[in-house]
Amino acid sequence: EDQVTQSPEALRLQEGESSSLNCSYTVSGLRGLFWYRQDPGKGPEFLFTLYSAGEEKEKERLKATLTKKESFLHITAPKPEDSATYLCAVQAGGYGQNFVFGPGTRLSVLP
Amino acid sequence: DGGITQSPKYLFRKEGQNVTLSCEQNLNHDAMYWYRQDPGQGLRLIYYSQIVNDFQKGDIAEGYSVSREKKESFPLTVTSAQKNPTAFYLCASRDRGKMNIQYFGAGTRLSVL
Repeated sequence: EDQVTQSPEALRLQEGESSSLNCSYTVSGLRGLFWYRQDPGKGPEFLFTLYSAGEEKEKERLKATLTKKESFLHITAPKPEDSATYLCAVQAGGYGQNFVFGPGTRLSVLP
Repeated sequence: DGGITQSPKYLFRKEGQNVTLSCEQNLNHDAMYWYRQDPGQGLRLIYYSQIVNDFQKGDIAEGYSVSREKKESFPLTVTSAQKNPTAFYLCASRDRGKMNIQYFGAGTRLSVL
């Protein structure tokens, strides 16, 4: 069964304190791994997609990396506006819908 | 502006009542999805549709129904058979090109009166 876990469940950082969020997955035939940001009461906002081990993507203070078993979302010198829940999802091979979402990491960045 | 519009933002259901959540997209995407989000859990798939007039059950379809008569529209009905409907409902559409990304609407929060 395809599965996604995320750790930690919640993370509190001081402004400027860099850290990483983890997404571990087991899936048959990974087609893609997706990171989303979700603010309270809003829909997820797409951040990155990664397709193969070794791939990296960057956007402002965020950098996503991918290995064969996990992905990391690195946050460098975060600001309070980076506070949100970060969701990881994988898409397995095969026809039809097969996106599996993790429960998310709730990030709080304190000024 | 292209995007996905969900309405209403908040919805209240009385016991025994069916309610319908609207989802419209102007991204020209073929595939559309409905997810349910509960606190501390990942998004769970209710229904999805790859093409007009066709849809498939997801992991938690019981107590829900959908239709897909137009490419742009994928409404979700929460029936009285769904005994625990209080949740945040998210609609998504997917770009089936090489990026294969799901884009989400702003969500509808459903509560029971």
